Amino acid sequence: GAGVSQSPRYKVAKRGQDVALRCDPISGHVSLFWYQQALGQGPEFLTYFQNEAQLDKSGLPSDRFFAERPEGSVSTLKIQRTQQEDSAVYLCASSPSAGAYTGELFFGEGSRLTVL
Amino acid sequence: KQEVTQIPAALSVPEGENLVLNCSFTDSAIYNLQWFRQDPGKGLTSLLLIQSSQREQTSGRLNASLDKSSGRSTLYIAASQPGDSATYLCAVDTGRRALTFGSGTRLQVQP
Repeated sequence: GAGVSQSPRYKVAKRGQDVALRCDPISGHVSLFWYQQALGQGPEFLTYFQNEAQLDKSGLPSDRFFAERPEGSVSTLKIQRTQQEDSAVYLCASSPSAGAYTGELFFGEGSRLTVL
Repeated sequence: KQEVTQIPAALSVPEGENLVLNCSFTDSAIYNLQWFRQDPGKGLTSLLLIQSSQREQTSGRLNASLDKSSGRSTLYIAASQPGDSATYLCAVDTGRRALTFGSGTRLQVQP
């Protein structure tokens, strides 16, 4: 596709359930980012991949959060034993550059997670 | 820890007005600052990127300035239009490639 694609767009989970959110970046983009955006707030960084390597996971809020990008393309963000505070929009972004940031960052429309 | 603040949180103006959105950051050691636009239920769209060595960038009716030493940036929108209604976010890059965002300014332009 032409842009960053995320699925599902909306997910409702009961507290304690595991969820998996998928990101399909723009073809050929080396860098992939996950951000978490709570209602009325700006996005907060979760993790960064360069190809299949997870170079920075300092923003993952707990060990219940896990991300992978095994073949350097599609990425999955998994949240285990979901809690109400996990309710947010999860944004994926990709960039063609691997070195210094050039500002070419393309965001998907996000996956809105609601934990009941 | 870098903190980014945006003022005002919300703004409503009549069509045609010029307006200024403000962004401040606590750590001046940034590589660049970027302004984004976010429409409801959508992802972010990059508007302007200012490298740390630059003072301003312009695109159409948008002009962004950067004063790194004082930790401030402004986004100037000339002759606002209803289509400019959106949330505007500023973000700084401290070299880790992980952007630090403000909470945004929600702009409503009244026709």
